[in-house]
Amino acid sequence: GQQLNQSPQSMFIQEGEDVSMNCTSSSIFNTWLWYKQDPGEGPVLLIALYKAGELTSNGRLTAQFGITRKDSFLNISASIPSDVGIYFCAGPLLGANSKLTFGKGITLSVRP
Amino acid sequence: DAGITQSPRYKITETGRQVTLMCHQTWSHSYMFWYRQDLGHGLRLIYYSAAADITDKGEVPDGYVVSRSKTENFPLTLESATRSQTSVYFCASRAGQIQETQYFGPGTRLLVL
Repeated sequence: GQQLNQSPQSMFIQEGEDVSMNCTSSSIFNTWLWYKQDPGEGPVLLIALYKAGELTSNGRLTAQFGITRKDSFLNISASIPSDVGIYFCAGPLLGANSKLTFGKGITLSVRP
Repeated sequence: DAGITQSPRYKITETGRQVTLMCHQTWSHSYMFWYRQDLGHGLRLIYYSAAADITDKGEVPDGYVVSRSKTENFPLTLESATRSQTSVYFCASRAGQIQETQYFGPGTRLLVL
């Protein structure tokens, strides 16, 4: 089935650094979503992308919808301690536009 | 102001017992979803509902039952709990199709002994 691949499973950065994470698939997606899950809470939508090549920002976060439609990137600039959490990419399943499939997530740790 | 809530937040039960996890949303969203989150697997869809009285299976439906008699409620029942169902369960809701934002509840942490 369609899978979204995120790696590595964990990332460790220093406060103030920029970090980039990507999400890939062997299948084409028409929508890419990036969610963040704070410790002990449910995921929250950060950015939604609907068009190939689209670049969208939300504060210090920037995400891009890959031209091939098979990948997406999320960049966080000037990281701060509250950026700690799990970052998931997600997209609608082929032929089932109402259901989302999620990547396994990347756990981000920020050292003060 | 409540949004989407889940109860209980924490639950310990024993193998073989029936457990029901509650989900309630105040937005009158059409779509509701149940996910489980396990280490190494991310979020996996158990069941979803497009409207009251309409439900369908997700990726991992075995051992679970859902119902949706009212738009705002979407309970998930484990008919006979097993240790493999120890997990964190998230309910989510969405007004319409993918272009709408999907909102998640705070989760229920279930331990099956």
